[in-house]
Amino acid sequence: DVKVTQSSRYLVKRTGEKVFLECVQDMDHENMFWYRQDPGLGLRLIYFSYDVKMKEKGDIPEGYSVSREKKERFSLILESASTNQTSMYLCASRNSGSLNEQYFGPGTRLTVT
Amino acid sequence: GENVEQHPSTLSVQEGDSAVIKCTYSDSASNYFPWYKQELGKRPQLIIDIRSNVGEKKDQRIAVTLNKTAKHFSLHITETQPEDSAVYFCAAIFTGGGNKLTFGTGTQLKVEL
Repeated sequence: DVKVTQSSRYLVKRTGEKVFLECVQDMDHENMFWYRQDPGLGLRLIYFSYDVKMKEKGDIPEGYSVSREKKERFSLILESASTNQTSMYLCASRNSGSLNEQYFGPGTRLTVT
Repeated sequence: GENVEQHPSTLSVQEGDSAVIKCTYSDSASNYFPWYKQELGKRPQLIIDIRSNVGEKKDQRIAVTLNKTAKHFSLHITETQPEDSAVYFCAAIFTGGGNKLTFGTGTQLKVEL
């Protein structure tokens, strides 16, 4: 059974803080993704990675960076948190190839005050 | 660019009625179309998917149809039950974008007793 876990379910940070969101998957998936979910906007892709130390920008990368030092771990970094980054953040993983199921983590509800 | 449009944004049906959610996509080369269900406070989970080489797929009360010519696909839920109440997301693989999923904006389905 695939497991995708995220380091926190709820997080409250102050404006200007550096924030790390961690995601770990245990199925040796090559591909990992970070989305943010906002009402009415669906799931928007922030960054993704096809392999260790590899990263690609998604649709809304501004204000974010990522790190993938190990295959099972994909980190999302907010260099200087702002109130408009208050959102639900979802991590996902999938094997390479276009026809494979994508699995999501439980999400991190981040509030920036 | 890559785009998936989903309608309606909200849908309310009486228990036992059918529900239909429709999506259109922009990339004619897309070959994989999953549907995810997200219950309140939980992660999105795959409920059904369809490949581009078939026109319809059914799993108990859930079915998905695909019209490649028109570039649209639909989710059909029959005999709806209260536990079907959730947000449903359609998605499509965009082959030119490194096989990443682009999601629709979601449909909030409410099944009323």
